[in-house]
Amino acid sequence: EVQLLESGGGLVQPGGSLRLSCAASGFTFSRFAMSWVRQAPGKGLEWVSGVRSTDGSTYYVDSVKGRFTISRDTSKNALYLQMNSLRAEDSAIYYCAKITTPYLRDGMDVWGQGTTVTVSS
Amino acid sequence: DVVMIQSPLSLPVTLGQPASISCRSSGSLVHSDGNTYLSWFQQRPGQSPRRLIYKVSNRDSGVPDRFSGSGSGTDFTLEISRVEAEDVGVYYCMQGTLWPYTFGQGTKLEIK
Repeated sequence: EVQLLESGGGLVQPGGSLRLSCAASGFTFSRFAMSWVRQAPGKGLEWVSGVRSTDGSTYYVDSVKGRFTISRDTSKNALYLQMNSLRAEDSAIYYCAKITTPYLRDGMDVWGQGTTVTVSS
Repeated sequence: DVVMIQSPLSLPVTLGQPASISCRSSGSLVHSDGNTYLSWFQQRPGQSPRRLIYKVSNRDSGVPDRFSGSGSGTDFTLEISRVEAEDVGVYYCMQGTLWPYTFGQGTKLEIK
């Protein structure tokens, strides 16, 4: 069974850092692009970042560029999101999602259960 | 950025009746490779999103055939032929043609 399990969320002060992790199982992790999507409380979905499996290219939405870094470790079947200089508006549930193909444009076919990030003093 | 506009935002439906959600993009979603990367997602209350449709009209594995997607260019539609109780939730369209990939605001489907 294909599974994604996020961890690392929590309460952090503005300006602080967090590292989210996503443990993948049930598929050949190295063959697929991966992404992080977030959902602020009571709001809609926002694609935050993605990484292609073909060449490791990374993509970020403008609001997190320069503050967030996506990475993957194929030896551990893990996806990460390093979040620095956190702001209140980064508070959300962060979902790890598998892309259907090596390319991000094909969209997410498997989602994790999400991990909650709260940025507050 | 490509803006995705859904309508209606709230959709009360009687059990067994059809439902339709519209999604319009601010620019054409036809990719240079000839494909149109428009997906539909369902998010039931308290759950993670689940993809229903990809590339406009392709149903994901395990998705009931009462769900169908159609459209082209900038106008797309998700249709549910006969709404069931388990269909309650919020539905999102998403474009994967131009980065940053963007979602619609969501349409909340409820049972009358």
